Amino acid sequence: GQQVMQIPQYQHVQEGEDFTTYCNSSTTLSNIQWYKQRPGGHPVFLIQLVKSGEVKKQKRLTFQFGEAKKNSSLHITATQTTDVGTYFCAGHDSGTYKYIFGTGTRLKVLA
Amino acid sequence: NAGVTQTPKFRVLKTGQSMTLLCAQDMNHEYMYWYRQDPGMGLRLIHYSVGEGTTAKGEVPDGYNVSRLKKQNFLLGLESAAPSQTSVYFCASSLIQGVNTEAFFGQGTRLTVV
Repeated sequence: GQQVMQIPQYQHVQEGEDFTTYCNSSTTLSNIQWYKQRPGGHPVFLIQLVKSGEVKKQKRLTFQFGEAKKNSSLHITATQTTDVGTYFCAGHDSGTYKYIFGTGTRLKVLA
Repeated sequence: NAGVTQTPKFRVLKTGQSMTLLCAQDMNHEYMYWYRQDPGMGLRLIHYSVGEGTTAKGEVPDGYNVSRLKKQNFLLGLESAAPSQTSVYFCASSLIQGVNTEAFFGQGTRLTVV
């Protein structure tokens, strides 16, 4: 079945450093979504990418969808303590309507 | 507008007991999902539904049953709980209209089976 892997599993950074998480799918995706889960909370939608090679920005966050639509990345510039949490990518299967989530990257930001 | 509401929020079960987790959404969404979240394993899809009266298996359906008798409710049942089902359970719903495929999650149910 379809698998979505994320690396790294954990990342500790000093406040102000940059952070990147990578998402790789075993199959081509219709689109990719990114979610953030704060400690003790539930996943919250951040953004969706649809087109091959698409790049979107949200303030300090930059999201990229690979040319082959099988990988994606999330880059945070100058991390802040409010960025703490687990970041998930999710591939959406337009045929079955399922969301297959990646394993997540847990980010800790040290002040 | 409450969004997605899960009940209960916490529960402790003994091995072999049964229980039902309730998910309710007030956004008129067609699609609803049950996930379990375990450390290091992300969110794994248990069952999902593409509309009232329909259900389908996800990645890890064994030991669980679901029902979608009303569009706004999606129930997850454990007939005979096992310690391996100790987890945090999340319900989600989505509209999936055109390119809009955002999923909305409930607050989660923390289940411990002893």
